[in-house]
Amino acid sequence: DIQMTQSPSSVSASVGDRVTITCRASQGIVSWLAWYQQKPGKAPKPLIFAASSLQSGVPSRFSGSISGTDFTLTINNLQPDDFATYYCQQGHSFPLTFGGGTKVDIK
Amino acid sequence: QVQLQESGPGLVKPSETLSLTCTVSGGSISTYYWNWIRQSPGKGLEWIGYIYYTGSNNYNPSLKSRVSVSLDTSKNQFSLKLTSVTAADTAVYYCARRTVVPSLAIDAFDIWGQGTMVTVS
Repeated sequence: DIQMTQSPSSVSASVGDRVTITCRASQGIVSWLAWYQQKPGKAPKPLIFAASSLQSGVPSRFSGSISGTDFTLTINNLQPDDFATYYCQQGHSFPLTFGGGTKVDIK
Repeated sequence: QVQLQESGPGLVKPSETLSLTCTVSGGSISTYYWNWIRQSPGKGLEWIGYIYYTGSNNYNPSLKSRVSVSLDTSKNQFSLKLTSVTAADTAVYYCARRTVVPSLAIDAFDIWGQGTMVTVS
């Protein structure tokens, strides 16, 4: 199985901050990576597919990038609605696997 | 737009079979990959398996011996059965549509149900 390791597991930030979340794959997955946002009691919401392709309706302050087997989700100008848990997911090979999540909370 | 809704018992006894159904509305089930994903309390997400509209399946090896996913195109539904459950199977179960576009390196879950909590006790 491909292991997806997210860091940090949690981050405290303020409105207006820039937050960076990293997801490292245990083997090469090219750009077969998605990012999701999950709020308490809700289903995950797709943010980014193919490592950097923003999904329809997702604010442009979200962006994704790739460097080898390291993937980064960046949130610029953090807004109150962005406090949530973020997960990465690899779609390169089965079984499909998720990272352990990064909780972004209010400092 | 396409919406997914899970249904089924919220409480299952140990050693029995967990059965859930996902109803797809606003679109046909006769395309795409239809998946089950679960999230144990306070934990991360685990992909369980999928059924393709052709009837083909793929399951997570960690659950493969106990899981089956089936399709009912006449009702626009797909279902999950997980046998011999234990407390470790207590989780929120989500159904989700998986979209695959190889030319764009897309293999991801683009539509999710709201989730249903299943407790094994």
